[in-house]
Amino acid sequence: AQTVTQSQPEMSVQEAETVTLSCTYDTSESNYYLFWYKQPPSRQMILVIRQEAYKQQNATENRFSVNFQKAAKSFSLKISDSQLGDTAMYFCAFYRAFGNEKLTFGTGTRLTIIP
Amino acid sequence: NAGVTQTPKFRVLKTGQSMTLLCAQDMNHEYMYWYRQDPGMGLRLIHYSVGEGTTAKGEVPDGYNVSRLKKQNFLLGLESAAPSQTSVYFCASSGTGELFFGEGSRLTVL
Repeated sequence: AQTVTQSQPEMSVQEAETVTLSCTYDTSESNYYLFWYKQPPSRQMILVIRQEAYKQQNATENRFSVNFQKAAKSFSLKISDSQLGDTAMYFCAFYRAFGNEKLTFGTGTRLTIIP
Repeated sequence: NAGVTQTPKFRVLKTGQSMTLLCAQDMNHEYMYWYRQDPGMGLRLIHYSVGEGTTAKGEVPDGYNVSRLKKQNFLLGLESAAPSQTSVYFCASSGTGELFFGEGSRLTVL
């Protein structure tokens, strides 16, 4: 079974600074996806960024980028120029690509952007 | 576009009562899921379905039942609600490796 670990329950950073959220996972699979989801106070789950395991290039989406280290099974999220709207819970998630597809979540990191 | 819709959004039950949460998706996705979210525990998979007429157990299936009679609908039932089932429930669907979530349903069992 896959496991996802987020070791930072809470983080805070000043507005406009850069912050990195950590995620490690454990799997014996070779084909999988990794995701970061954002959950603001509205409770909606919003996809931030997605990484396919077979791609060596790190995914980026505007101010959000990942550092994907497949051998180390590490998948951290970097938020640059942080904004007040980035305040939310962030969940790292693992998705097995073929057969028995389901998303396994970490326990989340509560990020607060300080004005 | 509706995406994934959950009903009801809020519900209060007494211990022992039964209820059904309905999830509907309009994206023609094969896979559908029910998760529960509890503080400090992230989202945990209750049951899921890989197609119409199929269901499978997830990580925390006890006390819940599901049905997928139509491709677009995935129902989550609580036959005899317990206080431990107080939680926020999320439905999701997937077609190509990305999950789309509903807005969540907050259930309180007194």
